[in-house]
This record gives sequence, C-alpha cells and structure tokens, in this order.
Amino acid sequence: AQKITQTQPGMFVQEKEAVTLDCTYDTSDPSYGLFWYKQPSSGEMIFLIYQGSYDQQNATEGRYSLNFQKARKSANLVISASQLGDSAMYFCAMREGLNQGGKLIFGQGTELSVKP
Amino acid sequence: DTEVTQTPKHLVMGMTNKKSLKCEQHMGHRAMYWYKQKAKKPPELMFVYSYEKLSINESVPSRFSPECPNSSLLNLHLHALQPEDSALYLCASSQDWGRDIVYTFGSGTRLTVV
Repeated sequence: AQKITQTQPGMFVQEKEAVTLDCTYDTSDPSYGLFWYKQPSSGEMIFLIYQGSYDQQNATEGRYSLNFQKARKSANLVISASQLGDSAMYFCAMREGLNQGGKLIFGQGTELSVKP
Repeated sequence: DTEVTQTPKHLVMGMTNKKSLKCEQHMGHRAMYWYKQKAKKPPELMFVYSYEKLSINESVPSRFSPECPNSSLLNLHLHALQPEDSALYLCASSQDWGRDIVYTFGSGTRLTVV
C-alpha cells in the first residue's frame, strides 16, 4: 500500500529566506507521481509542483523546486525567497501509476508560517 | 477555463435534511473525485468517477450518494448526515489517461451539520 509521510507539523521561516518541507513516501509500484499542494486558510488546494518517478531532473516551478531523491524515497519541497503569502498548509501527495488518473493520497501536511 | 467550480461555498444542514453539493469543470477531464477534509487533517478520498462511471468508493456510508450526470458535472447528494460529517468537501478533476496527469481542485464546500 502506498504511504506518504510528512514529519514536520509546523515550520517557521523568516521572510526572504529559503525553507525545505520534508516528504517521504513508500510504494512498491515503480511508476508513480509526486505532488505538492498549498492550502491557504480559504480552503482551496493549489497545485505547486509535480515529479514523475522516471524524471531524471528535479522539477522546478518559479520559487518552488522539488528535491527528488529516489533511492531515499524522498521528495522535499524547497521554497526560495519566502513571502508572507506563502503562509499556508502544504501537502505532499502521491499517485501510483504515471499515465492514468486514480487515487491521490496525501501526507499529514506541514503548516508553514512566514515571519516578517 | 482551467477551474473546478464548487457550489455552494458554505452549507448548514440539519440531520434530517437532504442537500446536494455540486462540482463543475470544463477542462475536458474525464476523471472526477470527491474528498472529505476535517480541520488540520489531509483530504481523504471518498469517490472516483472515470468516464462518468463510479470506479472507486472508499467504503463511504450510504448517506453520501455521488452522481455524475455528464462529463462536466459531479454531484454529492447528502441525506441524514451526522454532526461528525461536518467538514470541507473538495472536488477535483484530472485527465483519465496521459503523461504527467495533474489534479485540479475546487475551493470546496464547507459543510456544517447541526
């Protein structure tokens, strides 16, 4: 069975600094997709970044990058130059299988607070 | 149009009421999902529809009844709910097949059962 673990319930970061949110996963399927979502207090789940299990390079999207270490089964999110608007809940998620829709499961989440 | 629209945004219902949540997308996605999320917890999958057919039911109580009348619309019918069913209900959609499938979520319906 697939499993996602986020071990940091809460994190603080100073504005303009970088922060790393940890995520480890477990699956027996060689094909899978890893996702990071941001959820502000308004409730909307905002897609940030995606990494496929066969992608050779780490995914990047603007200030977001995914540090993918396949052998260690980790997919940490790095946010560079934090902004006050980055304060939110962040979820790591995984789907087994690359080329089909289906069950997307989430980790417990990390609540990030950006200090001015 | 790259949005998933959920209505209503807020809903308060009594335990004897019948109500429905609505979810709509016009991205041509053929997979649609309902998730339930309690405060400070991750979303939990309830149902998956693929090409308008129910493909996954995560052992959800029968007081929740999903319906997918067409490829753009997903409903969740609610009847005889309990106070513990109060939560944020999120709808999502995705392609059913293709490379690098991404899930798009709506803003959710905040449900309170009194």
